[in-house]
Amino acid sequence: EDKVVQSPLSLVVHEGDTVTLNCSYEVTNFRSLLWYKQEKKAPTFLFMLTSSGIEKKSGRLSSILDKKELFSILNITATQTGDSAVYLCAVGFNTNAGKSTFGDGTTLTVKP
Amino acid sequence: SAVISQKPSRDICQRGTSLTIQCQVDSQVTMMFWYRQQPGQSLTLIATANQGSEATYESGFVIDKFPISRPNLTFSTLTVSNMSPEDSSIYLCSVPGQGGNTIYFGEGSWLTVV
Repeated sequence: EDKVVQSPLSLVVHEGDTVTLNCSYEVTNFRSLLWYKQEKKAPTFLFMLTSSGIEKKSGRLSSILDKKELFSILNITATQTGDSAVYLCAVGFNTNAGKSTFGDGTTLTVKP
Repeated sequence: SAVISQKPSRDICQRGTSLTIQCQVDSQVTMMFWYRQQPGQSLTLIATANQGSEATYESGFVIDKFPISRPNLTFSTLTVSNMSPEDSSIYLCSVPGQGGNTIYFGEGSWLTVV
């Protein structure tokens, strides 16, 4: 059975802290690893990773994939209260482009 | 990325009734996906809506409970039938991104069954 596991499940930090969110997976037909941010309803896309060792960056957020060890991390530096959200990791499959299995998410709370 | 619109945004439904959620995409896509997110949980794929053929349902989801239509390449509907409080969820329509490596979501439809 395909599995995506995120840790920690929840995290409380103060503004300015740096956080690392983890995502490990055990799947067949791996195509891509995806990170999303969910604040209210719909998840918004952050990163897509398909190759090991290549860091993707967007402002204070960055992510990297290790296809040998089957995990990815999402880093957020200099956190702000607006970063408070649920961060979802998902794996997409070669057998069905666009179909994804999601982890349970990490709830990040950034306090002033 | 595609612009995906869903209706209704939110609704409160009576137990035993059915509700149809609409999803409109601003470009033609071969496949559309319907996800469910129950309170406090992650996203679970309900089915893949294929244009011109029957939807493909994931384990645990059946057509009688979640009938899906896909009349053209830009539109799909999901009906939640004979609702019970356990169906209270956010229902999300999604489409693949270019190259099929990502998926993008509509704004979601938040259903509460009372």
